[in-house]
Amino acid sequence: DGGITQSPKYLFRKEGQNVTLSCEQNLNHDAMYWYRQDPGQGLRLIYYSQIVNDFQKGDIAEGYSVSREKKESFPLTVTSAQKNPTAFYLCASSQQVGVRGYTFGSGTRLTVV
Amino acid sequence: LAKTTQPISMDSYEGQEVNITCSHNNIATNDYITWYQQFPSQGPRFIIQGYKTKVTNEVASLFIPADRKSSTLSLPRVSLSDTAVYYCLVGDSGTASKLTFGTGTRLQVTL
Repeated sequence: DGGITQSPKYLFRKEGQNVTLSCEQNLNHDAMYWYRQDPGQGLRLIYYSQIVNDFQKGDIAEGYSVSREKKESFPLTVTSAQKNPTAFYLCASSQQVGVRGYTFGSGTRLTVV
Repeated sequence: LAKTTQPISMDSYEGQEVNITCSHNNIATNDYITWYQQFPSQGPRFIIQGYKTKVTNEVASLFIPADRKSSTLSLPRVSLSDTAVYYCLVGDSGTASKLTFGTGTRLQVTL
């Protein structure tokens, strides 16, 4: 059954620590994305990748880093430079860059304690 | 960049038809209109997409007038399980960096 798997579902981080969120897809999609969602707000694009070994900054990339070493995987690292990291993080993929046919994961809720 | 405007919230009773309108005055020639549904603590789910006129699938209908400056998502006979946030997106392939979901429309369905 194809889809996107995000792990873990809940994550707690101490201030000053880096943390990596996992995103894996078996849809053979070329493009992958990371979004951040705050309570009652829409989704904001952090980073996206069109192909392996290539990625671009979205609207709120500061304090985050990504890698795309494999087509199936697009991990997101929330660094200590991100001043307000507590949020709901969503990973998505699509066959092409663009609006059509986004498939989202179930999300990771990150809380800084 | 085609910005979209939707009502913040809507209420409906179960069994009614719900129409959510999205305004996108600056839509470009290559842009498609796509609607997503999101439940709390879940990722958005694709509902329907269209370019012009009317599109219908098993879940909803999408009405797009000739000038394409707005679109209406129609949900027939809603149930309690349709309570969710609905997002309207406008864009085309190759512009993912400019796609924004906005705050969407929060639909509350009650008995």
